[in-house]
Amino acid sequence: DGGITQSPKYLFRKEGQNVTLSCEQNLNHDAMYWYRQDPGQGLRLIYYSQIVNDFQKGDIAEGYSVSREKKESFPLTVTSAQKNPTAFYLCASSIRLAGESDTQYFGPGTRLTVL
Amino acid sequence: AQSVAQPEDQVNVAEGNPLTVKCTYSVSGNPYLFWYVQYPNRGLQFLLKYITGDNLVKGSYGFEAEFNKSQTSFHLKKPSALVSDSALYFCAVRDNKGRRALTFGSGTRLQVQP
Repeated sequence: DGGITQSPKYLFRKEGQNVTLSCEQNLNHDAMYWYRQDPGQGLRLIYYSQIVNDFQKGDIAEGYSVSREKKESFPLTVTSAQKNPTAFYLCASSIRLAGESDTQYFGPGTRLTVL
Repeated sequence: AQSVAQPEDQVNVAEGNPLTVKCTYSVSGNPYLFWYVQYPNRGLQFLLKYITGDNLVKGSYGFEAEFNKSQTSFHLKKPSALVSDSALYFCAVRDNKGRRALTFGSGTRLQVQP
């Protein structure tokens, strides 16, 4: 997990609330990603960013939003429009977006539960 | 579209025995393949990757993986399993189009019995 921090570790949300998950990296990586993990499924891509002030939707972006104002930070907001937000959220980064061989490194994750 | 299949939800093996966790993939063009391990309530840890070259890739913690192009497989192996290897293992293939994200298999839970 080294070099990528996520907070909080556990987060509880009430119906209708927006919540923001933090992701910070000190690896000087250009590319950052958000994945969602549900039991019995692999990780699914929510959003990704290859550079500051640029980000793109992944496969399941509906109900989520992101920003990339600083290279080291890529926060994810889970909005009230996300119908089933209870999941484990993982942030990742890699040196470049375009490098096929570049390894993605993952943070420790945030477990979000809707009450 | 690319995809990854991990046909076994769980693999059970006795400590000291060899282990294999299976992965097959589908991708157009050259495959870039990865294995990650996840311990409970933790993020994913990188084990190894195949980019090109030798079909046998060595990684962390004594793990290795064998790339087989004709069978489109990338099985994870270890000669002698440890109880501490018990975890969830994910195979992934790198998107070779613009976004370069990873497509993951559904994961295989490895249980090593003492």
